[in-house]
Amino acid sequence: GQQVMQIPQYQHVQEGEDFTTYCNSSTTLSNIQWYKQRPGGHPVFLIQLVKSGEVKKQKRLTFQFGEAKKNSSLHITATQTTDVGTYFCAGNSGGGADGLTFGKGTHLIIQP
Amino acid sequence: DAGVIQSPRHEVTEMGQEVTLRCKPISGHNSLFWYRQTMMRGLELLIYFNNNVPIDDSGMPEDRFSAKMPNASFSTLKIQPSEPRDSAVYFCASSWDSPGLTNNEQFFGPGTRLTVL
Repeated sequence: GQQVMQIPQYQHVQEGEDFTTYCNSSTTLSNIQWYKQRPGGHPVFLIQLVKSGEVKKQKRLTFQFGEAKKNSSLHITATQTTDVGTYFCAGNSGGGADGLTFGKGTHLIIQP
Repeated sequence: DAGVIQSPRHEVTEMGQEVTLRCKPISGHNSLFWYRQTMMRGLELLIYFNNNVPIDDSGMPEDRFSAKMPNASFSTLKIQPSEPRDSAVYFCASSWDSPGLTNNEQFFGPGTRLTVL
């Protein structure tokens, strides 16, 4: 079945440093979504990428979808303490109402 | 909108007991998903429904797990009998999806933290 790998599992950064998490799928994806989960909370949707090579920005967050639609990345510039949490990518290789396969997430820990 | 509602928020039970988790999706959404989250296995899709019909239950661990969606505003996930290894946070999520289109964002409920002793 479809597998979505995410690295690193944990990332410690100093506040103000940049952070990147990478996502790789074993199959070509029709789209990829990114979610953030705060400690003790639930996943919250951040963004969806659909097109090959797509790049989207949300303030300090930059999301990329690979040309082959098998990998993606999330980059945070100048991290802040509010960025703490776990970032998940979730992919789907079908279309319509199909379930997502989530990566195991990258836990971002920020040291002030 | 109140968002996705799950109950109970916490459940502690003894091995062998039946557990029923409940979910009310966002009004107007036509897809509903049940996930299980543990430290070891991460976030796993158990089953999802579209227009109240189960589409894929391949993630359901075993016959002890069952899920129903009797109408568009209610779903249950039942574990009978429960075992300690079922301890996890169970999330319900809903979305609006049209056939042939890419997935839309999923809205997650607050989760039910299940502890089986």
